[in-house]
Amino acid sequence: QQQVKQSPQSLIVQKGGISIINCAYENTAFDYFPWYQQFPGKGPALLIAIRPDVSEKKEGRFTISFNKSAKQFSLHIMDSQPGDSATYFCAAAVSGYALNFGKGTSLLVTP
Amino acid sequence: GAVVSQHPSWVICKSGTSVKIECRSLDFQATTMFWYRQFPKQSLMLMATSNEGSKATYEQGVEKDKFLINHASLTLSTLTVTSAHPEDSSFYICSARDPFLSGKNGYGYTFGSGTRLTVV
Repeated sequence: QQQVKQSPQSLIVQKGGISIINCAYENTAFDYFPWYQQFPGKGPALLIAIRPDVSEKKEGRFTISFNKSAKQFSLHIMDSQPGDSATYFCAAAVSGYALNFGKGTSLLVTP
Repeated sequence: GAVVSQHPSWVICKSGTSVKIECRSLDFQATTMFWYRQFPKQSLMLMATSNEGSKATYEQGVEKDKFLINHASLTLSTLTVTSAHPEDSSFYICSARDPFLSGKNGYGYTFGSGTRLTVV
């Protein structure tokens, strides 16, 4: 049973545009919500993470928006670049336990 | 920052043989390590959680006798795929957790670079 639901499955964005990926969860015990970027043949790399006491976190071109009441969180990639083309995974965890991953979003940024 | 080294990065083995994958935390002590499996174009699926010095906890549907996990020290965990078959071909990824790591890495989850296993 997928504990974290992610959408869309794939996304095509023009260079300079905004990429938006959404995730939803059910387990209210989750207290850590990271986003990972993965290139083919590589392990996932942490992009940005948020805890439920914060509604938004920004790091460079990446922003997480978190809605605790709706149990949803999203990743916004501003000024998307071709180098951002990768698979993105949202995840959620209860402190100290394993991460539960969404199914992933394949992002393609066209020149 | 926290670094997890995973070896080998790829391995090809014959059906029926065993393969060992190592996961090392290079600059921190990992009290907990997680092993994931990822099939092409799919998400990471948790196989097992191991705590140093104790038996691993396997997820439902994962054969503990087939996927042997050893976490004998605070810096090393190994996954041995025994009697490998073509259906075991996958991308295996470990993650180590440093409970004292804070800041950007939140709860201290650091991933290895993965091992591509191909069983022929």
